[in-house]
Amino acid sequence: ETGVTQTPRHLVMGMTNKKSLKCEQHLGHNAMYWYKQSAKKPLELMFVYNFKEQTENNSVPSRFSPECPNSSHLFLHLHTLQPEDSALYLCASSQDRLENIQYFGAGTRLSVL
Amino acid sequence: EDKVVQSPLSLVVHEGDTVTLNCSYEVTNFRSLLWYKQEKKAPTFLFMLTSSGIEKKSGRLSSILDKKELFSILNITATQTGDSAIYLCAVEAPIQGAQKLVFGQGTRLTINP
Repeated sequence: ETGVTQTPRHLVMGMTNKKSLKCEQHLGHNAMYWYKQSAKKPLELMFVYNFKEQTENNSVPSRFSPECPNSSHLFLHLHTLQPEDSALYLCASSQDRLENIQYFGAGTRLSVL
Repeated sequence: EDKVVQSPLSLVVHEGDTVTLNCSYEVTNFRSLLWYKQEKKAPTFLFMLTSSGIEKKSGRLSSILDKKELFSILNITATQTGDSAIYLCAVEAPIQGAQKLVFGQGTRLTINP
């Protein structure tokens, strides 16, 4: 148990659906991250939030919409996804945006049909 | 562009063998290099290295950094089946006053009994 919990663990959705991924951390951290992990590719940073403010959007398509209501919770809202968006989506947290040790959740395995 | 390259991409050995995993990097304003172990889903933190030539050790695992040659190695001695996992190397890179992790593709290590 890393102290970072992601739900759901698995998600199958059609291209016209709207769904949300949830991440919660119990570590008292102030920075949270979304990563995408596709087969045979390195982890790709998507978004960074520090004290609820978005500090990085790594050229992510607008069909991915993050939300950070407080320092403990992070959401990724999904709509009109494409099959190539199928991947493992990992959430991580760190003490703050200058702290380099990030703690990861178990991820949500997303399949877009 | 910041880059992290790991080798080999895949490695299969027998229980009891010693393995060495490699990570080379090109990044501006290097701050630290991190190793993670990813078994099922959640990458778990192993080591953080900031100084050349100083070995970090935890049980059968050890790692060292060479900042002149821009690489790091992760050694695992007396391997066990529980060491089977993907090992990820990441390097800190600055972005707009913050830090982000740039990941390699990972090395998939399989330990056969």
